[in-house]
Amino acid sequence: GQNIDQPTEMTATEGAIVQINCTYQTSGFNGLFWYQQHAGEAPTFLSYNVLDGLEEKGRFSSFLSRSKGYSYLLLKELQMKDSASYLCAVSDNPFGNTPLVFGKGTRLSVIA
Amino acid sequence: DTEVTQTPKHLVMGMTNKKSLKCEQHMGHRAMYWYKQKAKKPPELMFVYSYEKLSINESVPSRFSPECPNSSLLNLHLHALQPEDSALYLCASSQVDGNTIYFGEGSWLTVV
Repeated sequence: GQNIDQPTEMTATEGAIVQINCTYQTSGFNGLFWYQQHAGEAPTFLSYNVLDGLEEKGRFSSFLSRSKGYSYLLLKELQMKDSASYLCAVSDNPFGNTPLVFGKGTRLSVIA
Repeated sequence: DTEVTQTPKHLVMGMTNKKSLKCEQHMGHRAMYWYKQKAKKPPELMFVYSYEKLSINESVPSRFSPECPNSSLLNLHLHALQPEDSALYLCASSQVDGNTIYFGEGSWLTVV
C-alpha cells in the first residue's frame, strides 16, 4: 500500500521561511517529487530527490531521508505569489515507468 | 521545449455526447499519463502508456478510452460520461525511466 501525508494548510508571512513536511510509506521507492499548483492550474515541477540529503534550487530546497520516509520542502524569502498548493509525490516503482502517487497537498497562504 | 500541450482547455459535454481530449509532447518522452483531478484533491492516476502501449489502467470505467497513436500523442476518448466525471484532466509525460514528470495545463471538463 501507499500512504503519503502532508499538512493540509499552512500560513506564513511574506519574507519569512516555511517548511512543508511530507512523510511516506510505499512498497517501493524511486524518488520523491515536489510540485507547486496554483488554483486552476496544472502542477509545476519544483524538485526531485532520490538520494538522502538536501537539494537546493534558488529560494526552494528539498530534503529527503529515505530511512525515515520523510521529506520537506523549504521555501525562503516568501513572496505573495508562493501562495499555492504544494504536492508531495512519490514514485514507487524501481524498475522504470514510474507514475506518481500524490499526497493530498498543502495549501500555503502567504500573508503580508 | 518542456511543454505538454493539451486541447481543448475547456469542454462542456452532455451525457450522451462523444468527445476527445488531446495531448501532445515533443520532448522525446516515451511514457505518457492521464490524471484526473477534482477540486481541492490531488491528481489521481488513470492510465499510463509506455512505448505507446497501455501499461497501467487504474480501474478506470470504460466510458474513458485512452489511445496513443504515436510517441508524441495521447488521446482520451469520452463517451456516456456522468456529471461526477467533471474534473480537470491532466496529461503528463516523462522518460520511461521515470525521473521528472511534466504536466500539461489540463483540460477542464464539465458534464451536464
